[in-house]
Amino acid sequence: ILNVEQSPQSLHVQEGDSTNFTCSFPSSNFYALHWYRWETAKSPEALFVMTLNGDEKKKGRISATLNTKEGYSYLYIKGSQPEDSATYLCALLTGNQFYFGTGTSLTVIP
Amino acid sequence: NAGVTQTPKFRVLKTGQSMTLLCAQDMNHEYMYWYRQDPGMGLRLIHYSVGEGTTAKGEVPDGYNVSRLKKQNFLLGLESAAPSQTSVYFCASWREGAKNIQYFGAGTRLSVL
Repeated sequence: ILNVEQSPQSLHVQEGDSTNFTCSFPSSNFYALHWYRWETAKSPEALFVMTLNGDEKKKGRISATLNTKEGYSYLYIKGSQPEDSATYLCALLTGNQFYFGTGTSLTVIP
Repeated sequence: NAGVTQTPKFRVLKTGQSMTLLCAQDMNHEYMYWYRQDPGMGLRLIHYSVGEGTTAKGEVPDGYNVSRLKKQNFLLGLESAAPSQTSVYFCASWREGAKNIQYFGAGTRLSVL
């Protein structure tokens, strides 16, 4: 069992603020790092799949970076909107199993 | 393209009853997973399968059994339900490859009284 940690556990921001979260993971046996967006009463949806050290991915106002040598990934949201409110999960893929963090719950206050 | 379909969506059981959760995927994925989601615990892997006819234990397998008789279906069974198995269960599928994403079903909310 691998320990994937996410911080902070929860976050409340004002609409328009930019924010970021951290996902930490053991750097050995790295295969890929997945970020998911999980809205209440729905299923997780993949945001990014990151495989290479130094990877940077971007989708609209959301972006992510990866450092496999030190074992962390950052997710950034620029100009948060109420519709960004969700739980953001990261998962380490090693071998054929995914190890999930407990998520960061983001609430964007209008 | 339905993706990953889970049935049922909700179920209430009494302690000791049995039930089977069905997961079906139409993407021809080799890998299928069953997770449970509990408050503050994230997603924990119960069992998984790397192909038709194969199953393997995950992090929290006790009290559950699985079968993968057909590539598109992955069944999760509870032989004698316990209140500790009250949870939301998610099925997922994945095609091997570092850049491939994992697809999730809509979840099954199970309450064991």
